[in-house]
Amino acid sequence: KQEVTQIPAALSVPEGENLVLNCSFTDSAIYNLQWFRQDPGKGLTSLLLIQSSQREQTSGRLNASLDKSSGRSTLYIAASQPGDSATYLCAVSPTEPGAGSYQLTFGKGTKLSVIP
Amino acid sequence: DAGVIQSPRHEVTEMGQEVTLRCKPISGHDYLFWYRQTMMRGLELLIYFNNNVPIDDSGMPEDRFSAKMPNASFSTLKIQPSEPRDSAVYFCASNPDGWSSTDTQYFGPGTRLTVL
Repeated sequence: KQEVTQIPAALSVPEGENLVLNCSFTDSAIYNLQWFRQDPGKGLTSLLLIQSSQREQTSGRLNASLDKSSGRSTLYIAASQPGDSATYLCAVSPTEPGAGSYQLTFGKGTKLSVIP
Repeated sequence: DAGVIQSPRHEVTEMGQEVTLRCKPISGHDYLFWYRQTMMRGLELLIYFNNNVPIDDSGMPEDRFSAKMPNASFSTLKIQPSEPRDSAVYFCASNPDGWSSTDTQYFGPGTRLTVL
């Protein structure tokens, strides 16, 4: 059974700092990996999706990397801002389209606080 | 598009009562998912549908839980009878059908259920 772990559970940084969030998964046979953002009282919003054949994806100040063989992914946030404060979750989907490829397994998330 | 719509946003009920949560997926999305989020267990997939047909309900915790999707624009998750341990945030999400590795799930805002 796939397990996804995110460390740390919470992180507090001063505004402007660059930071890295970590995600690890136990089964390297994944179809893709996604990073989501969750704001308090709201649903999840997809930030970046990395296909299994890719090593990284970038969107603005965000960069996500994937190392399938080691079962690790990182989310890098450059020049953090108070508006980045949220919980960040990573999720993996199993291999093979149609064979449950939409069944995401989530980590419990890292709660990020960016202090002005 | 208004996104995934869930109702009610908050539900407080007493143990033993029946609870019905509702979801309207994004128009044109063929996959619909129900998740439960708690502090202890994180985000867990309960059940998902493809073209209104339940595909995998292995995450449904007990027979007290049931889900239906009578048409492409509406789904319900019912708990009968409810128990205090069912207290959680329940999310609905939808996904377009394209077998694409770049497809992501779009989440609703969730229903916060409290069972007293």
